[in-house]
Amino acid sequence: GAVVSQHPSRVICKSGTSVKIECRSLDFQATTMFWYRQFPKQSLMLMATSNEGSKATYEQGVEKDKFLINHASLTLSTLTVTSAHPEDSSFYICSARVRGTGLFGSNQPQHFGDGTRLSIL
Amino acid sequence: KNQVEQSPQSLIILEGKNCTLQCNYTVSPFSNLRWYKQDTGRGPVSLTIMTFSENTKSNGRYTATLDADTKQSSLHITASQLSDSASYICVVSADSGAGSYQLTFGKGTKLSVIP
Repeated sequence: GAVVSQHPSRVICKSGTSVKIECRSLDFQATTMFWYRQFPKQSLMLMATSNEGSKATYEQGVEKDKFLINHASLTLSTLTVTSAHPEDSSFYICSARVRGTGLFGSNQPQHFGDGTRLSIL
Repeated sequence: KNQVEQSPQSLIILEGKNCTLQCNYTVSPFSNLRWYKQDTGRGPVSLTIMTFSENTKSNGRYTATLDADTKQSSLHITASQLSDSASYICVVSADSGAGSYQLTFGKGTKLSVIP
């Protein structure tokens, strides 16, 4: 089945550090990848939609200058948390949808990575 | 505003017992409903998908139901195992048109199966 690899799985760093998280689709091409943030006991919150070869689409309230997204290829999207602060500590999860799902795209599942636990001290 | 409400928030059951998780939604226009299992510290994994015309769908010991009229879904787990301990998330897809769609996530039900 479709596999999405997310790296690193855990990051602990000092306030002010920039952190890059990678999301790779291992055995399929993903025109679109999604980045989510999940706080304890909360649902996944969509941060942005990453489109290969174009700018990401950010959800309302998400600072695009703080959460930089690059989707340079059909199998890789990166999320960079710039100048991270303790309030940015969270569980970040990416997902990808199989390319070319056409009219029935909504019935194709999003395949999720295993997440990155970010802790800012 | 699209919303997905899940109940109960948490549940503890004995190994071997059955349980049912509930999902109520107000999402429009409805496209499909999916149940995910999320182990602690891992990403969600899809269990079942229900479209508008489907009432019941099974995946092993997991059986999902959908009542599109009342906008309710349930996930029934039979003969629970310790490995079923996880959060179960109900996700409803709304068709935004032009081949795009929006997902609304529930907060999940945290299931703990104890020996």
